[in-house]
Amino acid sequence: GAVVSQHPSWVICKSGTSVKIECRSLDFQATTMFWYRQFPKQSLMLMATSNEGSKATYEQGVEKDKFLINHASLTLSTLTVTSAHPEDSSFYICSAENPGQGQKETQYFGPGTRLLVL
Amino acid sequence: QKEVEQDPGPLSVPEGAIVSLNCTYSNSAFQYFMWYRQYSRKGPELLMYTYSSGNKEDGRFTAQVDKSSKYISLFIRDSQPSDSATYLCAMSSGNQFYFGTGTSLTVIP
Repeated sequence: GAVVSQHPSWVICKSGTSVKIECRSLDFQATTMFWYRQFPKQSLMLMATSNEGSKATYEQGVEKDKFLINHASLTLSTLTVTSAHPEDSSFYICSAENPGQGQKETQYFGPGTRLLVL
Repeated sequence: QKEVEQDPGPLSVPEGAIVSLNCTYSNSAFQYFMWYRQYSRKGPELLMYTYSSGNKEDGRFTAQVDKSSKYISLFIRDSQPSDSATYLCAMSSGNQFYFGTGTSLTVIP
């Protein structure tokens, strides 16, 4: 149980285009999902916390107008990188809490999406 | 001072060795402690989860928490080449999670 999927697994796009990344909890409902960014050989950097039915909470320094987050249902959160630029190239990972497991503080991660902006 | 400190390594050990990975933290409010394994170009995978001080064992893996010293460890017995990955510690109190920078481990056949 506690499987989280992400789509697409990798994407290459031209500078100035927008890219949407989906994060799904496959076998549980997640009221809270998290979006992370990871640069090579560095740890995860939390970008925002996504709550179903409400606005996302962004970490300091993360532009909410550039990284649009929508948590439309209990199993789906999306991250849209708007007007992507080469410096947005990174590995984006989502995670979800699985309260049904009784381990509320545990996050289950998706496989990640590698974004390359040319 | 960072909330969570973890030596990034890299750490290289021969196959069969016992591996010890460690993290220290500064926030005494942390109650939940986790270890994740991340293979190259993949998302982190939950390995161990502990709530209180003490040891928790799962196969070749043992997680240890010492709240008095604010120190957590992950031990890997009989290490295998397939254990080669980056290991991230994580801690939580309430709804805030903090991750270590990860330790890169290579197990040499």
